[in-house]
This record gives sequence, structure tokens and C-alpha cells, in this order.
Amino acid sequence: ELKVEQNPLFLSMQEGKNYTIYCNYSTTSDRLYWYRQDPGKSLESLFVLLSNGAVKQEGRLMASLDTKARLSTLHITAAVHDLSATYFCAVDMNTDKLIFGTGTRLQVFP
Amino acid sequence: DSGVTQTPKHLITATGQRVTLRCSPRSGDLSVYWYQQSLDQGLQFLIQYYNGEERAKGNILERFSAQQFPDLHSELNLSSLELGDSALYFCASSVFQNYGYTFGSGTRLTVV
Repeated sequence: ELKVEQNPLFLSMQEGKNYTIYCNYSTTSDRLYWYRQDPGKSLESLFVLLSNGAVKQEGRLMASLDTKARLSTLHITAAVHDLSATYFCAVDMNTDKLIFGTGTRLQVFP
Repeated sequence: DSGVTQTPKHLITATGQRVTLRCSPRSGDLSVYWYQQSLDQGLQFLIQYYNGEERAKGNILERFSAQQFPDLHSELNLSSLELGDSALYFCASSVFQNYGYTFGSGTRLTVV
């Protein structure tokens, strides 16, 4: 059974600092997705990573995928308050099930 | 607006009752997925339909059922509701996994 783990679960960081969220998954997959969720809201797609070594950047967020290590990272550069949200990674393992990680709740403070 | 429409947005009902949640996928998307999000279980995959046929099943209780209609909208039926069924229920649609999955705004179900 595919398991997807994220760490940390909670992250409180100061504005302007950098940090990385890690996503590990248990079986081979070439597709990994990152989503953002604000409290009580829907899931907003951030990145779709489709191959080993894939790197995508949008604003202060950069995501990468290492399929051999079964690891994806979401790097936050110079955090701002607007980035406060819960971030999920998800893997679909070439089946029709998208399995989500536990989520990382990010809080950025002044 | 993501293009995936879910109704109703909020639902409050009593234990033992039955409810139906509705989802209209983005135009052109043939696949519909249902997810349950609760504080203790996180985001759990329930079931997937592709062009009217069930394609994959996850942790869906026997009290729950779903279907996808010829116009591609989908309904999730929850019966004999229990307090523990209180959660956010999301629908997502996809045309092809490489393009990602688009989520609706969800239905918040409260069972009292």
C-alpha cells in the first residue's frame, strides 16, 4: 500500500527566512503533485512533477522530485505571511488513486 | 472558480439520515474523484469514476455509494449517517493525470 509522509507537520517560520518541506513516498511513482489549502477552503494546485529530476518554480516556491529516492521537496524562499497555509504532496502511482500526505501546516510570522 | 462545481456547500443533518452530494467536473474532464477530509483521517480517497464507470475504490464505507451520470456529473450518497461522517467532502476532476487534478470547493457535512 502506498504511503506518503510529509515532514514537518507544523512549521512556524519568520518572514524572510528559507525552509524546506519534505515528502517521502513508499513505492515507485513518476508523478507527484503539490497542493496548497487555506483553512476551510479547497485545494489549489501548485506543481505537477512528472519525472526524475523535475524542478518547478513559482514565485517563492520551488518543488523538486527525486524518484530514485522517492522524495520530493518544496522549498520556500524568503517567506511572506501570504504563504501561511497547509501544503500537501500527493502521489498517484500510475493508478487512479491520488494518495495525499499528512500535510504541513505553515505559519509565517513577522 | 476552478471549474469543478460542488453542491451544496454546507449540509447539516441528523444521525441516521441520508444525504446526496453533487459534483460537476470541469468541461472536458471524464474522471471524477471523491475525497473525504477530516481532522483525524486527513485526506482520504473514496472512489473514482471515469466516463460513467467505476475505476478505483479507496476507503469508502459500505454505507456510502457513488455514481457518474451520462452528462458526467457525479453524486456521492451517504446513508445511515454517523457523527464520525462529519467532514469536508471534495470532488476533483481530471482529463489526464499528467495535467493534474482540479478540486471543487467542497461540501462541509455536519452530522448532529
